[in-house]
Amino acid sequence: EPEVTQTPSHQVTQMGQEVILRCVPISNHLYFYWYRQILGQKVEFLVSFYNNEISEKSEIFDDQFSVERPDGSNFTLKIRSTKLEDSAMYFCASKTDTDTQYFGPGTRLTVL
Amino acid sequence: AQSVTQLDSQVPVFEEAPVELRCNYSSSVSVYLFWYVQYPNQGLQLLLKYLSGSTLVESINGFEAEFNKSQTSFHLRKPSVHISDTAEYFCAVSETGANNLFFGTGTRLTVIP
Repeated sequence: EPEVTQTPSHQVTQMGQEVILRCVPISNHLYFYWYRQILGQKVEFLVSFYNNEISEKSEIFDDQFSVERPDGSNFTLKIRSTKLEDSAMYFCASKTDTDTQYFGPGTRLTVL
Repeated sequence: AQSVTQLDSQVPVFEEAPVELRCNYSSSVSVYLFWYVQYPNQGLQLLLKYLSGSTLVESINGFEAEFNKSQTSFHLRKPSVHISDTAEYFCAVSETGANNLFFGTGTRLTVIP
């Protein structure tokens, strides 16, 4: 069964550094998402992406964040200058034109 | 805007006992409802969903949830839990036709042998 994959599984970085989190959505999916889950808190929507552009974003998704689909398979989330409060589990999700989002296993980002 | 409330942060239950995990939502428009499960050190997996039609939906591993519009609830139930059901369970809602999901804070189900 096809699945969403994410790399790396764990990323440790210094505050102020740039990080890129990578996702490979399911191949025939058209909509792509990033969510994050700060330890002990709820999963929060960050951004959705369709037809090579952002379709919706939350207040969390400020100018420090960007997303890109550099080729036909990858979907990336970049944090330009990481802050301590960016430490979280980041989930990628994708879907076709139906309403079920399929999630990847997540990348745990630790900012020191 | 939508919101989801999962009142129980932790639910311990003995093996083979029944369980109910509560979920209430608020929305001014029609919604789709989902339960996702997160096993230890894994990502979110779709457990079941309500989009339309029958208000009672079931998963392949014995869970069921009932959409109750008047009570704005989508509680998850299982008549007899197994050790392997130990996980975090998240209720989520989205507007029909909208993109993003709104999640509750999750309920940690611990099945005790």
